[in-house]
Amino acid sequence: RKEVEQDPGPFNVPEGATVAFNCTYSNSASQSFFWYRQDCRKEPKLLMSVYSSGNEDGRFTAQLNRASQYISLLIRDSKLSDSATYLCVVRVGNDMRFGAGTRLTVKP
Amino acid sequence: GAVVSQHPSWVICKSGTSVKIECRSLDFQATTMFWYRQFPKQSLMLMATSNEGSKATYEQGVEKDKFLINHASLTLSTLTVTSAHPEDSSFYICSAPPGGRTYEQYFGPGTRLTVT
Repeated sequence: RKEVEQDPGPFNVPEGATVAFNCTYSNSASQSFFWYRQDCRKEPKLLMSVYSSGNEDGRFTAQLNRASQYISLLIRDSKLSDSATYLCVVRVGNDMRFGAGTRLTVKP
Repeated sequence: GAVVSQHPSWVICKSGTSVKIECRSLDFQATTMFWYRQFPKQSLMLMATSNEGSKATYEQGVEKDKFLINHASLTLSTLTVTSAHPEDSSFYICSAPPGGRTYEQYFGPGTRLTVT
């Protein structure tokens, strides 16, 4: 079993749609949680950290459920520029463990 | 914000040759840097942790004699792929945590290696 598992996708949605990504992690010692965005042939860039209380940044909302070892990302009113691969990332000690990513394509 | 650069961004080499990839932190010092590899449509996989002034720590299954890492200074780590083979073709990305805060990673732009 992979340490970090994500919806395989791809997700193809129209502009303005709301889309949700799920992620589960297997290591209960995981300490920090993040969503990264990776554009094609580019490096990952931090989208947002994920806190137990849930957090929101504009159109993006992240949730963490430690008991279920589950993380989610909700994108509202999706834009064409949101098209990318979204990586669920978990920190265990000094190591960052990446999910395989979920590909999102937002269409006009 | 913190910036990490990589050089070269793209390299094509012949099988059997060695390729050196540089990772630099431009506006902060990094005692630790991380090297990842990403195959198409797959996740980033940590290869090794580069430590300034000491030996790198390699992940299980990564050959240390094939992937030579040198953390020469607080702003530079190099990864040398020795005797490259076509199966080494991949996207290599480094990252560094500014201020030693490993939960905050800044990634280099990546190096695409193609071995023919």
